[in-house]
Amino acid sequence: AQSVTQLGSHVSVSEGALVLLRCNYSSSVPPYLFWYVQYPNQGLQLLLKYTSAATLVKGINGFEAEFKKSETSFHLTKPSAHMSDAAEYFCAVRNSGGSNYKLTFGKGTLLTVNP
Amino acid sequence: ETGVTQSPTHLIKTRGQQVTLRCSSQSGHNTVSWYQQALGQGPQFIFQYYREEENGRGNFPPRFSGLQFPNYSSELNVNALELDDSALYLCASTQGGAPTNYGYTFGSGTRLTVV
Repeated sequence: AQSVTQLGSHVSVSEGALVLLRCNYSSSVPPYLFWYVQYPNQGLQLLLKYTSAATLVKGINGFEAEFKKSETSFHLTKPSAHMSDAAEYFCAVRNSGGSNYKLTFGKGTLLTVNP
Repeated sequence: ETGVTQSPTHLIKTRGQQVTLRCSSQSGHNTVSWYQQALGQGPQFIFQYYREEENGRGNFPPRFSGLQFPNYSSELNVNALELDDSALYLCASTQGGAPTNYGYTFGSGTRLTVV
């Protein structure tokens, strides 16, 4: 079975500060990993994905994440927070291979950006 | 290209009633999945449809059922509604069978309230 743990249900940063959102996964097979962002009353938007190519993945809006197999982690970072980054962020895992594309999500981290 | 469209956006039902939610997949996508997102939680996988057949299901009772049509649009039906069914229901589409596509396009969801 696969699972995702997001450490910290709420992270607060100042505008211009580093953003670090933590995600640890559990998977019995090589995983595919994703970060999604959700703005209030909206669906999920894909920020970036890891699919067994480069371990450092760059996404949209200046976000990036590094896959660390030894630590079973896929933390999301952004060097400088912007007010528009305030949203809920979800890490998700999917088993590689097969035809079932089920995504298993973490519980989410609410990012607040203070002026 | 159009994205994923869900209808209705909001719905209020009474306990014990039945509800049908609808989803139009993104152009070119033939696989649709449904997720339930309770307040303050990450999305939970309900089931997936590929070429009009269910090919994956999460831990949801049989009163949650679905359909996929030849144009790849989909319905989620929930019978005998319970208060705990109150949630945001998200539809997501992808191109099944394409090994380089590992992400989903999500709709904005249907907010279901059961009273």
